[in-house]
Amino acid sequence: GAVVSQHPSRVICKSGTSVKIECRSLDFQATTMFWYRQFPKQSLMLMATSNEGSKATYEQGVEKDKFLINHASLTLSTLTVTSAHPEDSSFYICSASRGPRGGKLFFGSGTQLSVL
Amino acid sequence: DAKTTQPPSMDCAEGRAANLPCNHSTISGNEYVYWYRQIHSQGPQYIIHGLKNNETNEMASLIITEDRKSSTLILPHATLRDTAVYYCIVRAPITNAGKSTFGDGTTLTVKP
Repeated sequence: GAVVSQHPSRVICKSGTSVKIECRSLDFQATTMFWYRQFPKQSLMLMATSNEGSKATYEQGVEKDKFLINHASLTLSTLTVTSAHPEDSSFYICSASRGPRGGKLFFGSGTQLSVL
Repeated sequence: DAKTTQPPSMDCAEGRAANLPCNHSTISGNEYVYWYRQIHSQGPQYIIHGLKNNETNEMASLIITEDRKSSTLILPHATLRDTAVYYCIVRAPITNAGKSTFGDGTTLTVKP
């Protein structure tokens, strides 16, 4: 099946620093990728839709200047958490859609971000 | 997308079939039923999807009622590795797949 690779799997950083998370589609081209965050014991929450070659679309309440998304190629999208604070600590997950009518979502393995 | 309702948790004995129900009474004619699961600290995994016919693949079977208002995911021989949160999602093909609403899902615990 389709593979989506996400790195790093875990990152610990100091408050005020920026962290970049990469999401790659390994065996297919993904014009659209999606970024989610997930708090412990909660479900996934869509943050933004990453569009290759154009600006990302952010969900209501998500700060676009805080969570920078770049989708420069058909196989790579990056999420940069800028000036991270402890409240940004969370599990971040990316996905890409594939299949007839783009219905199937394939997910990365997730990135656990801990901001000290 | 139609709203789905799933039981919060279920237990299953190892080696037995796990039957996970999902209610989607407001489903529209063009909406598909998708199932995903999320093992602890990992990204979700696609399992199966269907429109109105029953479906089977190497992972599971999907049974959709004739009126399409509910469905059941069947794991025929559950193993300890099937312990996960299972999400039932209903969406129309035209909508953005990434905007699929992941509810709270069902936490399946497979016990030895």
